[in-house]
Amino acid sequence: GQQLNQSPQSMFIQEGEDVSMNCTSSSIFNTWLWYKQDPGEGPVLLIALYKAGELTSNGRLTAQFGITRKDSFLNISASIPSDVGIYFCAGHPWYTGRRALTFGSGTRLQVQP
Amino acid sequence: DTEVTQTPKHLVMGMTNKKSLKCEQHMGHRAMYWYKQKAKKPPELMFVYSYEKLSINESVPSRFSPECPNSSLLNLHLHALQPEDSALYLCASSQDQSQTYGYTFGSGTRLTVV
Repeated sequence: GQQLNQSPQSMFIQEGEDVSMNCTSSSIFNTWLWYKQDPGEGPVLLIALYKAGELTSNGRLTAQFGITRKDSFLNISASIPSDVGIYFCAGHPWYTGRRALTFGSGTRLQVQP
Repeated sequence: DTEVTQTPKHLVMGMTNKKSLKCEQHMGHRAMYWYKQKAKKPPELMFVYSYEKLSINESVPSRFSPECPNSSLLNLHLHALQPEDSALYLCASSQDQSQTYGYTFGSGTRLTVV
């Protein structure tokens, strides 16, 4: 299946620090989505990106759809303890043979108060 | 209503049992999905229903049997499962199966097979 390479795998930061994580693929994607998952819950959509170069913010979160359509990043500014969780990138690849979301491997974020 | 509701939240079943997971949404979404998630791993697609017809089966073993009785409901029937099938089972829905929309996920059913 289509591989999405997400990094870093985990991060341990102090409250107030900024965080950056990214996702890359060897293939072109039409859509990039960023989800957050808390323990024992389903993923919650944070930001959706639909056009190459698009930069979108949601509060302290900012995400960009890479110009090459093969990558995306998510930034979290001024982290707080409730930012703890697993962040997944997900996307729809350009080829339409498999019309369902593909997920990256996830970034586990821990925030020290 | 902007939620996907999954029941039960937790399920423990023996390897000879038959059980069903239920998923419901009232957002008028016409695509519904089952994902399986093991600990510390991303969700893995199992099945997709589009307009109540099975659209994708990701080579899932026949001991998992999906059913979409109507546009709001999605079931996953379980029979003769193995301990390695223990996982979080997530249901999701989207407006349709096009690439335009993100998915709304339920909270999942935590399944333990003993």
